[in-house]
Amino acid sequence: GAVVSQHPSWVICKSGTSVKIECRSLDFQATTMFWYRQFPKQSLMLMATSNEGSKATYEQGVEKDKFLINHASLTLSTLTVTSAHPEDSSFYICSALLDSGGRNEQFFGPGTRLTVL
Amino acid sequence: DAKTTQPPSMDCAEGRAANLPCNHSTISGNEYVYWYRQIHSQGPQYIIHGLKNNETNEMASLIITEDRKSSTLILPHATLRDTAVYYCIVRVVGRYDMRFGAGTRLTVKP
Repeated sequence: GAVVSQHPSWVICKSGTSVKIECRSLDFQATTMFWYRQFPKQSLMLMATSNEGSKATYEQGVEKDKFLINHASLTLSTLTVTSAHPEDSSFYICSALLDSGGRNEQFFGPGTRLTVL
Repeated sequence: DAKTTQPPSMDCAEGRAANLPCNHSTISGNEYVYWYRQIHSQGPQYIIHGLKNNETNEMASLIITEDRKSSTLILPHATLRDTAVYYCIVRVVGRYDMRFGAGTRLTVKP
């Protein structure tokens, strides 16, 4: 099956620093990837849609200058949380769209837990 | 996208069938019904999806009512490892973003 990885799986950083999270599709190419955020005991919230070679599309209320998304290749999208603050502490999950042979399914990564001190 | 309504929680005895309902009364003809589940602190896992017809795979069965306003996910023989939050999502054909509701927390008990 299609596998999506994320790195790191968890990260702790100081307030004011920037953190980069990588999302990779390991055995398929993905022109479209998605980034979600999940707070404790809540559902996943879509943050943005990442398209290879073009700018990401952000959901309403998500600051594009704070959450920088780069989708530079067909297997890698990165999310950079800039000037992180404690309220950015969350579980960040990416997914990659497998769009091939009439099949379009989203495969999710294992998530990255960010803790900002 | 059509909104979905699911019970917040359900219990099921190990080895029995788990039937998880989902209401999507405003669904349109060009919207799929998807089911994902999320085991604690992991990414969501795809289970099954359908448009009009009932579907079955190695994980589960999806029963969609004739009017398509509701559906039921059936795990035929629930195990302790099926304890998770189950999400029912309605998605327009041609769009690929998944928007998650609150889901149903299924607890499988010994």
